[in-house]
Parts: sequence; C-alpha cells; structure tokens
Amino acid sequence: NAGVTQTPKFRILKIGQSMTLQCAQDMNHNYMYWYRQDPGMGLKLIYYSVGAGITDKGEVPNGYNVSRSTTEDFPLRLELAAPSQTSVYFCASQGMSWNYGYTFGSGTRLTVV
Amino acid sequence: QKEVEQNSGPLSVPEGAIASLNCTYSDRGSQSFFWYRQYSGKSPELIMSIYSNGDKEDGRFTAQLNKASQYVSLLIRDSQPSDSATYLCAVTDTGANSKLTFGKGITLSVRP
Repeated sequence: NAGVTQTPKFRILKIGQSMTLQCAQDMNHNYMYWYRQDPGMGLKLIYYSVGAGITDKGEVPNGYNVSRSTTEDFPLRLELAAPSQTSVYFCASQGMSWNYGYTFGSGTRLTVV
Repeated sequence: QKEVEQNSGPLSVPEGAIASLNCTYSDRGSQSFFWYRQYSGKSPELIMSIYSNGDKEDGRFTAQLNKASQYVSLLIRDSQPSDSATYLCAVTDTGANSKLTFGKGITLSVRP
C-alpha cells in the first residue's frame, strides 16, 4: 500500500526554469492538497482539490498551477522558477473520515538558484 | 485570515517527564483540531485528532481542547528521546474534509 507518492525527492532548478512536481495516491481519496514548508514557518497551503476536475487556490498560489484530471494524480507546476520558491513541498490526501487527517507524501526538496 | 499560534518553544524536558505543548487559534468557528509530529527531514504524521471540548487520550498522548478559550494542547507523558521532534498544531473550520491551517510548530527535545 503505497499511500501518497511524490517525485522527485530533490531538485535544483535555475531561475526561470519550469518543472512539475508529481503526486499520486492509491487510496481513492477525493481531497488532495499541496503545501510548502519553509524553515520555522509551518505549512502553507498552495492549492487543493476536492475531486477530479476541481481545484482551488490556497493561501500562497502565486507562481504555481495545478490540474486534477484523475482521482489519483495531482501534479503541481512551477512556471518561471524564482529563489522565493526554494522550499520543501508536501502533497497530502484525505479520505471521507476527518478523524484520520491528512496522509502526507515524503516531500520534494526544491532549490532555485 | 485564520491564525494558529504556537509561540512557546523550543521545549526541552528530561526523559520520563511530561511535555506540554500549547496552541491557540483565532477562528472561533473552528471545529476540528489535529496534532502532527514531524521528525527532521520527514513528512508530518498524525498523532491526535480532537473536536469536542475536554480530553482525549491515546497511549502516552493526551489532547485537550477548550473552545471557549480557543486553545488546544498536547500532553506527552513519560517522554522518550524518540519523542524529540517538531509538533505541528492544525485547525480546520468545518467538521470534515476541510483544508487545514497549520501553526509554525514547537520543537521538543527529550534529554536522556
């Protein structure tokens, strides 16, 4: 049972480059989320989705885009990478029972130079 | 904008002691509350959830919720070095399946 799988685990980007962070879950969860975590700053919500074809902005969406074509996959796209996007990115999913909270992926550590 | 404050820390306790972690939140309508543990370089993992006033116990962990005072706390009894981690408080504004707002976390160190 894989849970939430994120790829890649590490990536270095040059300023202005683009990339897609992949996230896939095999638990048939409708709700999926992208957070970023900066040192000492907790987790900030970037985008979220309540089901295939439905996405919405979170607290810090600028510079990012998402899509949700299937229940399983929720990729995060970075266009024109900037140093301010250096962070650790976590994807999470949630099932119908709130008691279980989020299941997080292992994270992607991104550095923009 | 909803805020979740975890201002005390870092926290250091001796092995076997009780560690008390506190969290306050700004949205009086918040319904559900969570504590996550995050080891350095790892992803957060859920350790407790609570939505009713009072205490909820799970092994060595007790979550306490006081909606009137807008705070939620986590007690760790018989603290072990393996409890050394950052503890994140998270709050949602409706009962289920809502996006979470996280605090900045409290780093706990348990001294052998």
